[in-house]
Amino acid sequence: AAGVIQSPRHLIKEKRETATLKCYPIPRHDTVYWYQQGPGQDPQFLISFYEKMQSDKGSIPDRFSAQQFSDYHSELNMSSLELGDSALYFCASSLPVREARHEQFFGPGTRLTVL
Amino acid sequence: AQKITQTQPGMFVQEKEAVTLDCTYDTSDQSYGLFWYKQPSSGEMIFLIYQGSYDEQNATEGRYSLNFQKARKSANLVISASQLGDSAMYFCAMRELLNNAGNMLTFGGGTRLMVKP
Repeated sequence: AAGVIQSPRHLIKEKRETATLKCYPIPRHDTVYWYQQGPGQDPQFLISFYEKMQSDKGSIPDRFSAQQFSDYHSELNMSSLELGDSALYFCASSLPVREARHEQFFGPGTRLTVL
Repeated sequence: AQKITQTQPGMFVQEKEAVTLDCTYDTSDQSYGLFWYKQPSSGEMIFLIYQGSYDEQNATEGRYSLNFQKARKSANLVISASQLGDSAMYFCAMRELLNNAGNMLTFGGGTRLMVKP
């Protein structure tokens, strides 16, 4: 079965650089979520999109922005990178909220290292 | 206050034995969902099992079952017949469905399970 695709899987950047992470949800899933998991931490919700509109916002820094495109893929743009941004970034997708179970299925994550 | 609490940072279990991973939650909503995810050392987050707050039966998925005690606000994961491949970090998560809580998951701190041969 198709899963959530994230690219790149690994990314190394210098401080103050920018990074773009991409997420391709499972077909038919119209809701995309972004989470950040620091070393030894639990995942923290950043932002989500439903039908190409931002639906919820969590602890996302102002330096980050995201959007969902017409094909439902999403991109997380990170600027002025800091050492503390080094983390595993997950994208998850789910069926429409009206579906009863709406589990979130996670992609493999993008491991960002900021040097 | 923590919404999801996993009190066991790490646990050992003997291969082929059953193990229970604890999870308690805090919400004032009546409608919510509880999830368990497995995160192996490779990093991916694997969905294991889901329990809705209105589900009358405890959820089961193969060797995984969820001991849901609503009044106590606990949703413990039971893994039967542990296998070496079960060694991983396990996260309990909650999604509150009402009161504009959004659809995001709130995670507990995780329990690292180590299966001994």
